[in-house]
Amino acid sequence: EIVLTQSPATLSLSPGERATLSCRASQSVSSYLAWYQQKPGQAPRLLIYDASNRATGIPARFSGSGSGTDFTLTISSLEPDDFAVYYCQHRKNWPPDATFGQGTRLEIK
Amino acid sequence: QGHLVESGGGVVQPERSLRLSCAASGFTFTKYGMHWVRQAPGKGLEWVAVIASQGRTTYYADSVKGRFTISRDNSQNTLYLQMNSLRGEDTAVYYCAKEGSTSVWSFDYWGQGTLVTVSS
Repeated sequence: EIVLTQSPATLSLSPGERATLSCRASQSVSSYLAWYQQKPGQAPRLLIYDASNRATGIPARFSGSGSGTDFTLTISSLEPDDFAVYYCQHRKNWPPDATFGQGTRLEIK
Repeated sequence: QGHLVESGGGVVQPERSLRLSCAASGFTFTKYGMHWVRQAPGKGLEWVAVIASQGRTTYYADSVKGRFTISRDNSQNTLYLQMNSLRGEDTAVYYCAKEGSTSVWSFDYWGQGTLVTVSS
């Protein structure tokens, strides 16, 4: 079973700053890693798929990188709307289950 | 633009049953695998179950195996989750989610969620 570990648990930054969120897999997941943003009372929203591809409509300030076991979500310059919880997620062909990281809360400093 | 709408949540006593529905629109439902993901109050996301596009393959998290059944009606563009023998730890918001159009390894559309509360 693959375990995804996100760090830090909470990140306190100010608007305009750069955010770097980490996701580490317990074994290689190749590039099969996605990132989601979730705001209170809302469903998760896909930001990045296959480690580095922005989903439709996602602003360019969001970028993903990494492969194997270490992945990073970077928000180049934080907007007020970016403060939320971020999850990484992995799926594979078989078994076709999915695994989520425990989340990183990005809060306003 | 895809759209998913869950229904069927509510308050249910332990050991009772509940069936959730997820109505899909805006995409070709029959082409995609569909999932249920849940989120306990104040907690993270937990994957629950998957069903392949034609319904022939299903798979469950260990926490619900033998109690929950995922199914779909492709003629009605609807996904279901039959939940039996409910426990307090099943209390959560349940989301249906669609496999990505560009990458099946992610979920590109999510419903708004439906809350299931298991309590006596």
